Amino acid sequence: QTVVTQEPSFSVSPGGTVTLTCGLSSGSVSRGYYPSWYQQTPGQAPRTVMYNTNTRSSGVPDRFSGSILGDKAALTITGAQADDESDYYCCLYMGSGIRVFGGGTKLTVL
Amino acid sequence: QVQLQESGPGLVTPSETLSLTCTVSGGSISPNYWSWIRQAPGKGLEWIGYIYSSGSTRYNPSLKSRVTMSVDTSKNQFSLRLTSVTAADTAVYYCAKWYCYSDTCYYMDAWGKGTTVTVSS
Repeated sequence: QTVVTQEPSFSVSPGGTVTLTCGLSSGSVSRGYYPSWYQQTPGQAPRTVMYNTNTRSSGVPDRFSGSILGDKAALTITGAQADDESDYYCCLYMGSGIRVFGGGTKLTVL
Repeated sequence: QVQLQESGPGLVTPSETLSLTCTVSGGSISPNYWSWIRQAPGKGLEWIGYIYSSGSTRYNPSLKSRVTMSVDTSKNQFSLRLTSVTAADTAVYYCAKWYCYSDTCYYMDAWGKGTTVTVSS
């Protein structure tokens, strides 16, 4: 079974730029996987920050952007702020209605 | 604004069946896609499956043999049954609504707050 891979953790300074990635244990991620990104803080339900590769969800600031970088989906935060400190999960469409989450990236802003 | 609320027992005995219901308010359950997602303590999100308001389903292959989802449009609810549970099924269970258009579902745009289910004797 294909595994969706993410960096376990990342650290960024306030005001800095960070790119989180979402890959496959076998193969390349393309727009056809409809990558979406979810932000989750402790004790809260996830909320969407990005979908369909590069469409920001309603209310998400434009410092968040999405793309395909090489063989992975990517979520970039430009000008990171303290309240961006969260866990981020990507979710890919694997075909036949099946969705798979990545293991998540714990983002620290300090 | 659609709101979702999970309900069900917080404690399930090993080998028994976990049953949860998600009640949808602020909108109709039809026509739309709905999912269950879970998160074990300290772990990541796991997609369990989806159900369409007509009753068609797709399940995570790793859980498929134990999962059944159903929908009750008259009550604006959908449900999850997970059989033969073990401690590994201890998790926060979320229900969610999919945002779909033109026959493609893109992301889950509404989530319940989650309900904690512990599997223990």
